Amino acid sequence: SQQGEEDPQALSIQEGENATMNCSYKTSINNLQWYRQNSGRGLVHLILIRSNEREKHSGRLRVTLDTSKKSSSLLITASRAADTASYFCATTGGAQKLVFGQGTRLTINP
Amino acid sequence: DTEVTQTPKHLVMGMTNKKSLKCEQHMGHRAMYWYKQKAKKPPELMFVYSYEKLSINESVPSRFSPECPNSSLLNLHLHALQPEDSALYLCASSQDVGPNTGELFFGEGSRLTVL
Repeated sequence: SQQGEEDPQALSIQEGENATMNCSYKTSINNLQWYRQNSGRGLVHLILIRSNEREKHSGRLRVTLDTSKKSSSLLITASRAADTASYFCATTGGAQKLVFGQGTRLTINP
Repeated sequence: DTEVTQTPKHLVMGMTNKKSLKCEQHMGHRAMYWYKQKAKKPPELMFVYSYEKLSINESVPSRFSPECPNSSLLNLHLHALQPEDSALYLCASSQDVGPNTGELFFGEGSRLTVL
Protein backbone atom coordinates (compact mmCIF):
# COMPACT_ATOMS: atom_id res chain seq x y z
CA SER A 1 0.00 0.00 0.00
CA GLN A 2 1.07 3.58 -0.45
CA GLN A 3 3.18 5.12 2.29
CA GLY A 4 1.26 8.37 2.56
CA GLU A 5 -2.37 9.13 3.15
CA GLU A 6 -3.63 12.62 2.43
CA ASP A 7 -6.45 14.58 3.88
CA PRO A 8 -8.72 15.95 2.58
CA GLN A 9 -9.13 14.06 -0.69
CA ALA A 10 -10.68 17.15 -2.24
CA LEU A 11 -10.70 20.80 -1.20
CA SER A 12 -12.55 23.72 -2.79
CA ILE A 13 -11.90 27.28 -1.62
CA GLN A 14 -12.27 30.86 -2.82
CA GLU A 15 -9.40 32.69 -4.44
CA GLY A 16 -7.39 34.55 -1.84
CA GLU A 17 -8.08 32.07 0.95
CA ASN A 18 -5.46 29.77 2.43
CA ALA A 19 -5.43 26.04 1.63
CA THR A 20 -4.13 23.41 4.02
CA MET A 21 -3.47 19.80 3.09
CA ASN A 22 -2.29 17.07 5.41
CA CYS A 23 -0.25 13.96 4.85
CA SER A 24 0.30 11.02 7.18
CA TYR A 25 2.80 8.23 6.66
CA LYS A 26 3.50 4.90 8.27
CA THR A 27 7.22 4.24 8.56
CA SER A 28 10.30 6.28 9.38
CA ILE A 29 11.44 8.62 6.64
CA ASN A 30 14.56 10.43 5.50
CA ASN A 31 12.67 13.24 3.85
CA LEU A 32 9.20 14.20 2.74
CA GLN A 33 8.43 15.97 -0.50
CA TRP A 34 5.39 17.72 -1.94
CA TYR A 35 4.51 17.72 -5.62
CA ARG A 36 1.85 19.44 -7.72
CA GLN A 37 0.17 17.94 -10.76
CA ASN A 38 -2.01 19.86 -13.15
CA SER A 39 -4.67 17.73 -14.81
CA GLY A 40 -3.12 14.99 -16.92
CA ARG A 41 0.34 16.54 -16.82
CA GLY A 42 3.63 15.66 -15.20
CA LEU A 43 4.39 16.27 -11.54
CA VAL A 44 6.29 19.34 -10.41
CA HIS A 45 8.40 19.32 -7.27
CA LEU A 46 7.38 21.99 -4.75
CA ILE A 47 9.40 21.50 -1.60
CA LEU A 48 11.47 18.96 0.33
CA ILE A 49 11.69 18.80 4.10
CA ARG A 50 14.22 16.58 5.83
CA SER A 51 13.39 14.42 8.81
CA ASN A 52 15.38 16.68 11.15
CA GLU A 53 13.52 19.81 10.02
CA ARG A 54 10.21 20.98 11.45
CA GLU A 55 9.17 23.76 9.10
CA LYS A 56 10.14 25.08 5.70
CA HIS A 57 8.98 27.98 3.55
CA SER A 58 9.09 28.62 -0.17
CA GLY A 59 7.23 31.65 -1.46
CA ARG A 60 3.54 31.16 -0.59
CA LEU A 61 4.18 27.59 0.56
CA ARG A 62 4.74 26.52 4.14
CA VAL A 63 5.43 22.90 5.03
CA THR A 64 5.56 21.45 8.51
CA LEU A 65 6.76 18.03 9.58
CA ASP A 66 5.97 16.23 12.83
CA THR A 67 7.93 12.99 12.89
CA SER A 68 6.46 11.99 16.26
CA LYS A 69 2.99 11.99 14.68
CA LYS A 70 4.28 10.86 11.27
CA SER A 71 2.49 13.73 9.60
CA SER A 72 3.12 16.75 7.44
CA SER A 73 1.04 19.67 6.27
CA LEU A 74 1.24 21.92 3.23
CA LEU A 75 -0.16 25.44 3.53
CA ILE A 76 -0.70 27.56 0.43
CA THR A 77 -1.38 31.17 1.36
CA ALA A 78 -3.33 33.72 -0.69
CA SER A 79 -4.47 31.08 -3.18
CA ARG A 80 -4.80 31.83 -6.89
CA ALA A 81 -6.77 30.15 -9.67
CA ALA A 82 -3.48 28.81 -11.02
CA ASP A 83 -3.04 26.79 -7.81
CA THR A 84 -5.88 24.50 -8.92
CA ALA A 85 -4.20 21.09 -9.17
CA SER A 86 -3.65 17.82 -7.35
CA TYR A 87 -1.08 17.87 -4.57
CA PHE A 88 0.84 14.77 -3.50
CA CYS A 89 3.16 14.12 -0.61
CA ALA A 90 5.92 11.60 -1.19
CA THR A 91 8.31 9.92 1.19
CA THR A 92 11.58 8.07 1.07
CA GLY A 93 12.43 5.59 3.77
CA GLY A 94 14.96 2.83 3.75
CA ALA A 95 14.18 1.78 0.21
CA GLN A 96 15.50 3.40 -2.94
CA LYS A 97 12.19 4.77 -3.94
CA LEU A 98 9.83 7.68 -3.58
CA VAL A 99 6.31 6.59 -2.66
CA PHE A 100 3.38 8.92 -3.20
CA GLY A 101 0.33 9.54 -1.07
CA GLN A 102 -3.21 9.46 -2.42
CA GLY A 103 -3.26 13.17 -3.13
CA THR A 104 -5.53 16.14 -2.51
CA ARG A 105 -7.46 17.69 -5.39
CA LEU A 106 -7.50 21.44 -4.80
CA THR A 107 -9.94 23.72 -6.63
CA ILE A 108 -9.62 27.49 -6.34
CA ASN A 109 -12.85 29.28 -7.25
CA PRO A 110 -12.58 32.80 -8.69
CA ASP B 1 18.29 22.17 -19.24
CA THR B 2 16.00 20.86 -16.49
CA GLU B 3 13.64 18.97 -18.74
CA VAL B 4 12.65 15.37 -18.99
CA THR B 5 11.24 14.71 -22.44
CA GLN B 6 8.82 11.90 -23.11
CA THR B 7 7.58 10.64 -26.47
CA PRO B 8 5.03 10.01 -27.71
CA LYS B 9 2.56 12.17 -25.79
CA HIS B 10 -0.32 9.92 -26.81
CA LEU B 11 -0.31 6.30 -27.96
CA VAL B 12 -3.16 4.02 -28.95
CA MET B 13 -2.34 0.37 -29.47
CA GLY B 14 -4.02 -2.96 -29.87
CA MET B 15 -3.40 -5.89 -27.60
CA THR B 16 -1.16 -7.60 -30.15
CA ASN B 17 0.98 -4.54 -30.96
CA LYS B 18 4.54 -3.86 -29.91
CA LYS B 19 5.36 -0.26 -29.11
CA SER B 20 7.86 1.72 -27.06
CA LEU B 21 7.78 4.76 -24.84
CA LYS B 22 10.88 6.92 -24.74
CA CYS B 23 12.32 9.25 -22.14
CA GLU B 24 15.36 11.52 -22.28
CA GLN B 25 17.13 13.79 -19.81
CA HIS B 26 20.33 15.80 -20.12
CA MET B 27 20.79 16.86 -16.52
CA GLY B 28 23.45 14.24 -15.78
CA HIS B 29 21.07 12.48 -13.42
CA ARG B 30 22.09 8.96 -12.46
CA ALA B 31 18.66 7.62 -11.56
CA MET B 32 15.68 7.24 -13.86
CA TYR B 33 12.21 5.99 -13.11
CA TRP B 34 9.02 4.74 -14.72
CA TYR B 35 5.75 5.41 -12.93
CA LYS B 36 2.23 4.39 -13.96
CA GLN B 37 -0.71 6.59 -13.05
CA LYS B 38 -4.41 5.79 -13.39
CA ALA B 39 -7.02 8.52 -13.30
CA LYS B 40 -7.45 10.19 -9.90
CA LYS B 41 -4.78 7.94 -8.37
CA PRO B 42 -1.20 8.65 -7.29
CA PRO B 43 1.74 7.59 -9.46
CA GLU B 44 2.81 3.99 -8.80
CA LEU B 45 6.45 3.07 -9.17
CA MET B 46 7.26 0.48 -11.83
CA PHE B 47 11.04 0.52 -12.35
CA VAL B 48 14.12 2.31 -11.09
CA TYR B 49 17.43 2.49 -12.95
CA SER B 50 20.52 3.52 -11.06
CA TYR B 51 23.73 4.14 -13.02
CA GLU B 52 22.10 2.46 -16.03
CA LYS B 53 21.37 -0.72 -14.12
CA LEU B 54 17.91 -1.90 -13.14
CA SER B 55 17.76 -1.59 -9.36
CA ILE B 56 14.05 -1.88 -8.64
CA ASN B 57 11.29 -3.80 -10.43
CA GLU B 58 8.04 -3.48 -8.54
CA SER B 59 6.79 -6.89 -9.69
CA VAL B 60 5.72 -5.44 -13.02
CA PRO B 61 4.32 -7.94 -15.57
CA SER B 62 6.79 -9.01 -18.23
CA ARG B 63 4.69 -7.41 -20.97
CA PHE B 64 6.43 -4.21 -19.79
CA SER B 65 10.15 -4.32 -20.54
CA PRO B 66 12.40 -1.42 -19.52
CA GLU B 67 15.68 -0.57 -21.16
CA CYS B 68 18.34 2.01 -20.35
CA PRO B 69 20.61 2.32 -23.43
CA ASN B 70 22.72 5.06 -21.81
CA SER B 71 22.66 7.49 -18.92
CA SER B 72 20.36 9.91 -20.75
CA LEU B 73 17.80 7.55 -22.22
CA LEU B 74 15.13 5.29 -20.79
CA ASN B 75 12.73 3.20 -22.82
CA LEU B 76 9.69 1.17 -21.91
CA HIS B 77 8.88 -1.57 -24.41
CA LEU B 78 5.26 -2.65 -24.54
CA HIS B 79 3.99 -5.96 -25.87
CA ALA B 80 0.70 -7.84 -25.57
CA LEU B 81 -0.81 -5.25 -23.25
CA GLN B 82 -4.27 -5.45 -21.75
CA PRO B 83 -6.94 -2.73 -21.74
CA GLU B 84 -6.38 -2.29 -17.98
CA ASP B 85 -2.83 -1.14 -18.80
CA SER B 86 -4.29 2.06 -20.22
CA ALA B 87 -2.85 4.85 -18.09
CA LEU B 88 -0.50 7.83 -18.00
CA TYR B 89 3.11 6.61 -17.97
CA LEU B 90 5.49 9.03 -16.31
CA CYS B 91 9.23 9.09 -16.59
CA ALA B 92 11.33 10.84 -13.97
CA SER B 93 14.96 11.37 -13.10
CA SER B 94 16.92 12.36 -10.02
CA GLN B 95 20.52 13.22 -9.31
CA ASP B 96 20.93 10.30 -6.96
CA VAL B 97 18.94 7.34 -5.75
CA GLY B 98 18.68 5.81 -2.34
CA PRO B 99 17.23 6.61 1.06
CA ASN B 100 18.02 10.30 0.65
CA THR B 101 16.60 10.60 -2.84
CA GLY B 102 15.97 14.26 -3.52
CA GLU B 103 13.81 16.01 -6.04
CA LEU B 104 12.45 14.00 -8.93
CA PHE B 105 12.08 15.74 -12.28
CA PHE B 106 9.11 14.42 -14.22
CA GLY B 107 8.27 14.40 -17.89
CA GLU B 108 4.80 15.32 -19.10
CA GLY B 109 3.90 11.68 -19.53
CA SER B 110 2.75 9.38 -22.30
CA ARG B 111 -1.00 8.76 -22.34
CA LEU B 112 -1.47 5.12 -23.37
CA THR B 113 -4.75 3.62 -24.53
CA VAL B 114 -4.95 -0.13 -25.14
CA LEU B 115 -7.88 -1.25 -27.26
